[in-house]
Amino acid sequence: DQQVKQNSPSLSVQEGRISILNCDYTNSMFDYFLWYKKYPAEGPTFLISISSIKDKNEDGRFTVFLNKSAKHLSLHIVPSQPGDSAVYFCAARNSNSGYALNFGKGTSLLVTP
Amino acid sequence: EAGVAQSPRYKIIEKRQSVAFWCNPISGHATLYWYQQILGQGPKLLIQFQNNGVVDDSQLPKDRFSAERLKGVDSTLKIQPAKLEDSAVYLCASSLAGQGLQTQYFGPGTRLLVL
Repeated sequence: DQQVKQNSPSLSVQEGRISILNCDYTNSMFDYFLWYKKYPAEGPTFLISISSIKDKNEDGRFTVFLNKSAKHLSLHIVPSQPGDSAVYFCAARNSNSGYALNFGKGTSLLVTP
Repeated sequence: EAGVAQSPRYKIIEKRQSVAFWCNPISGHATLYWYQQILGQGPKLLIQFQNNGVVDDSQLPKDRFSAERLKGVDSTLKIQPAKLEDSAVYLCASSLAGQGLQTQYFGPGTRLLVL
């Protein structure tokens, strides 16, 4: 059963605009959420995270928003750059039952010049 | 700082053969993870080690998959015998410790094709 869902397999955005990637989860015990970025033939690279005690975390051009009541989080990239083109994975974990990450299927972002 | 190293990068075998993957985590990282990523899916945890002890192997198909981390550093993941559905990228990750909010760092993965 997929506990972390990324319902948009792909997204295309123009350079300079905002990219919004969405993620939904079903397990209310998840208390820590992460976004990973993956280029072809490379392993996923940690991008940004948020604890369930917060509703927003910002790091440069990247901001993650968490809506616990809706079990939804989103990653905003502003402004988008061509180098942001990659697959983005949403991941979540329940810190009280180990530290394994539950990943979504990923969203492929293409930023066009 | 060197990242997580994995070898081989690619492997093609026939079904029913055996195969082994190797992982060298980031120096000082006590926790090591093996993930399986099937095409079009997100990574799925197979096994987690804390030093040389197994923390979680609930999703490891133990009839054919095995893993070890004998000295608490390098790890090997073995499949014997392989099935067609084992075709995937096998990712190794490590973190400073399993507790707290430590980030997992991933290696480049080993892409396995079973024919």
